[in-house]
Amino acid sequence: KAGVTQTPRYLIKTRGQQVTLSCSPISGHRSVSWYQQTPGQGLQFLFEYFSETQRNKGNFPGRFSGRQFSNSRSEMNVSTLELGDSALYLCASSPFLGQPQHFGDGTRLSIL
Amino acid sequence: GQQLNQSPQSMFIQEGEDVSMNCTSSSIFNTWLWYKQDPGEGPVLLIALYKAGELTSNGRLTAQFGITRKDSFLNISASIPSDVGIYFCAGLRGNEKLTFGTGTRLTIIP
Repeated sequence: KAGVTQTPRYLIKTRGQQVTLSCSPISGHRSVSWYQQTPGQGLQFLFEYFSETQRNKGNFPGRFSGRQFSNSRSEMNVSTLELGDSALYLCASSPFLGQPQHFGDGTRLSIL
Repeated sequence: GQQLNQSPQSMFIQEGEDVSMNCTSSSIFNTWLWYKQDPGEGPVLLIALYKAGELTSNGRLTAQFGITRKDSFLNISASIPSDVGIYFCAGLRGNEKLTFGTGTRLTIIP
C-alpha cells in the first residue's frame, strides 16, 4: 500500500512569491492534515480537511490556505512568502477525522 | 497552539541501555500516539493506544496510556543505533486536531 506522497520534496523561492504544495493521501484515507515543522517551534498544525471541507484550523495567517479535492488529494498554498516561512511542510492522512495519522516525508521549502 | 509537555527534551545514552520518556497534558485524550522521526523524513507511527491503562508493545518498544488519560509513557529496551531520532507523543480527542508533544531527541553515544 503506497504511503502519503508529497511533491515536490524540495523547493526554493524568494520573498514575495507564492508556492503550492501537493499531497496524495494513502488510498482510502479521506482526512488530510498539514503541519509546519521548524527547529525551534516543533510541529505546528496548519489545517485539516475531510470530504473537501476544512474541519480544523491552526493559528496561521491568511497567507496560508489549503483545499482538498474529491479524490482526497490536497494542496496548500502560501502567498507573499516571507523568510520565516522556511520550514519542512508535512502532510498526514487518516481514514476519518479523529484517527491516527500517517505522514509523508514532507516538502522542504527554503525562502531566499 | 497547545503542545503536550514531553520529557526529557533530549537523552544521551549508550547502546544497550533502556530508555524512558513521557508525555503529560492538562486535559484528557481518547487516544495517545507515539511517533519517531528520522532526519529528512516524516514522523512514523510507532504505537497507538486507545484505552486508559492500556499497555502495548511493538518489538523493543512498550507504551502505556495513563490511567488519568492525561499522560502516556514510552520505553525502549536494549537500545540500538537505529533508535536514534526524535520521538513525539501525540493526543487525539474526538474529531479535534492531533496535538503533539515537543519531542525527545535520542542520541546514542559510541
